[in-house]
Amino acid sequence: ESVLTQSPGTLSLSPGERATLSCRASQDIRTYHLAWYQQKPGQAPRLLIYATSSRATGIPDRFSGSGSGTDFTLTISRLEPEDFAVYYCQHYGRSPLTFGGGTKVEIK
Amino acid sequence: QVQLMQSGAEVKKPGSSVKVSCKASGGTFGSYAITWMRQAPGQGLEWMGGIIPVLARANYAQKFQGRVTITTDESTTTAYMELSSLGFDDTAVYYCARDRYFDSSGDYYESGYWGQGTLVTVSS
Repeated sequence: ESVLTQSPGTLSLSPGERATLSCRASQDIRTYHLAWYQQKPGQAPRLLIYATSSRATGIPDRFSGSGSGTDFTLTISRLEPEDFAVYYCQHYGRSPLTFGGGTKVEIK
Repeated sequence: QVQLMQSGAEVKKPGSSVKVSCKASGGTFGSYAITWMRQAPGQGLEWMGGIIPVLARANYAQKFQGRVTITTDESTTTAYMELSSLGFDDTAVYYCARDRYFDSSGDYYESGYWGQGTLVTVSS
């Protein structure tokens, strides 16, 4: 089981700024088994990125994912007001699946 | 368009069980894994287990082994998650989700479609 550690816990930024979120795994994971989700208060999570760097349908290109081995990154190039939310990384593939603890992106 | 509709909120007594349903519409039900997650108030997401209907196989997180049962009914395209021996710390929103992709490997994939969530409150 791969334990995922996200950092920072909270990121305080202004609209228009760049956000860089980190997800570190306790062991090497396959790049096609890493996803990112966005969750807003009172809503179900929404898939943003799968297979480390592929954007899900309808996701704007300001969201990008990268990484390999144990270190993965979600980048939001220019924050829009609707991007302030909590972001989770997930390792999938063989059971058990695991989630990181989340990074909250808040308005500075 | 794939949609997942979950059953309504529940209030349960400690020691009892709860069964949450997740009805799928759109897509091919049996081919894609259904997974269950939960989120305690103010906390992160926790994977509980999943099932790949076409392989008739369920997998569970070790934390919930022996206490959770995930099943599907292909005739009604509905998945179920039953959690027994409820404690106060089982109070959470429970989500079902369907994989975006399927292959014959038996792997789980990213959750492309989510239910709206079901609040389960354990209270005496």
